Amino acid sequence: SYVLTQPPAVSVAPGQPARITCGGKNIASKSVYWYQQKPGQAPILVIHYDVNRPSGIPERFSGSNSGTTATLTISRVEAGDEADYYCQVWDTDSEQVVFGGGTKLTVL
Amino acid sequence: QITLKESGPTLVKPTQTLTLTCAFSGFSLSTREEGVGWIRQPPGKALEWLAVIYWDDDKRYRPSLESRLTVTKDTSKHQVILTITDMDPVDTATYYCAHAQTTFNFDRWGQGTLVTVSS
Repeated sequence: SYVLTQPPAVSVAPGQPARITCGGKNIASKSVYWYQQKPGQAPILVIHYDVNRPSGIPERFSGSNSGTTATLTISRVEAGDEADYYCQVWDTDSEQVVFGGGTKLTVL
Repeated sequence: QITLKESGPTLVKPTQTLTLTCAFSGFSLSTREEGVGWIRQPPGKALEWLAVIYWDDDKRYRPSLESRLTVTKDTSKHQVILTITDMDPVDTATYYCAHAQTTFNFDRWGQGTLVTVSS
């Protein structure tokens, strides 16, 4: 079945950009979704259809998808961005929703 | 404003059947392109998709668990029900329901409910 690979952890200083990757075979042919999950809370959709921000999501959040890697970028990281981030796709071959393993973003 | 809330037992014994209810508001499952999904998260682990049901009664299940899962909707009550048979301690997790878009992504989530499987 389809596998999405994320780095377990990313650390960044406040005000610096953070980039979280999501690798998958020919992922560029799929729509990628990104969720933010803070401790003890439900996930929140922060990017849909690869690059679009739902209403209420700060402009600091952006997405890209090319080749075998999708990327979530937070342009100027704030302490409040510290969370787990998950990528997700729909795999048409196995007809299932697939989540990545999650990346813990730490703000130094 | 879309809201969802999960309810059900917090503790089940191994081999029992788990029944979870998702009560939602702000949309109707009789409206085209609306759906509700179920996702779970074992303690300290990643999200795991289980099932989704759409307005036209289209249902999709996680292939590895399909034999144990059933999802149904009660449109008049604004509820979706998930049943999981033959529960095992590895099924211990927080179970979320979420509003699903037709492209199989989830734009609003419930708060989740922790279910522990133990004798």
